[in-house]
Amino acid sequence: GAVVSQHPSWVICKSGTSVKIECRSLDFQATTMFWYRQFPKQSLMLMATSNEGSKATYEQGVEKDKFLINHASLTLSTLTVTSAHPEDSSFYICSASVRTRQETQYFGPGTRLLVL
Amino acid sequence: GDSVTQMEGPVTLSEEAFLTINCTYTATGYPSLFWYVQYPGEGLQLLLKATKADDKGSNKGFEATYRKETTSFHLEKGSVQVSDSAVYFCALLYSGAGSYQLTFGKGTKLSVIP
Repeated sequence: GAVVSQHPSWVICKSGTSVKIECRSLDFQATTMFWYRQFPKQSLMLMATSNEGSKATYEQGVEKDKFLINHASLTLSTLTVTSAHPEDSSFYICSASVRTRQETQYFGPGTRLLVL
Repeated sequence: GDSVTQMEGPVTLSEEAFLTINCTYTATGYPSLFWYVQYPGEGLQLLLKATKADDKGSNKGFEATYRKETTSFHLEKGSVQVSDSAVYFCALLYSGAGSYQLTFGKGTKLSVIP
């Protein structure tokens, strides 16, 4: 149980295009979803927290107009990287938690983004 | 702010060797502490956790004890296997004002050779 999937697992795009990454909780309803970014040999950095049906809360230094997060349902959150540039190339990881066990996050396998 | 420092890798061990991965933290209040493991090509999985001082978390032969006096949560295993090869992340959870946020260390890559 408690499986989180991400799609796509790999994406290569041209500079200036927008990329959408999906995060789904497959067998539970996720009241909260988190988006992280991981640079090589670095820790996971929290980008934003989203609760179903409300606007995402972004961490300091994360551009909300560049990284659009939508949490439209209890099983799906999307991260859209708008007008992507090479410096946005990274590994993006989502996680999800349920209201009754908010101290536990279930992680997706991550999405590798390469912007040319 | 809260932070987690863990030993830099990579760590390479022979099968059946003893493993220690050091982790120390800085936090206000009393966070919960976690070890996550990331196997190649997979997402992070919770390995073990401890929620208060002197608690010992354990799973799959791995152990870690929450040491408030030294602000540490070192990961240990008495005899590692090749299947333990992965990246290990130490993390703390701060919960306050209804929010739950994890702060991660940089991760330590472990390679176990036969």
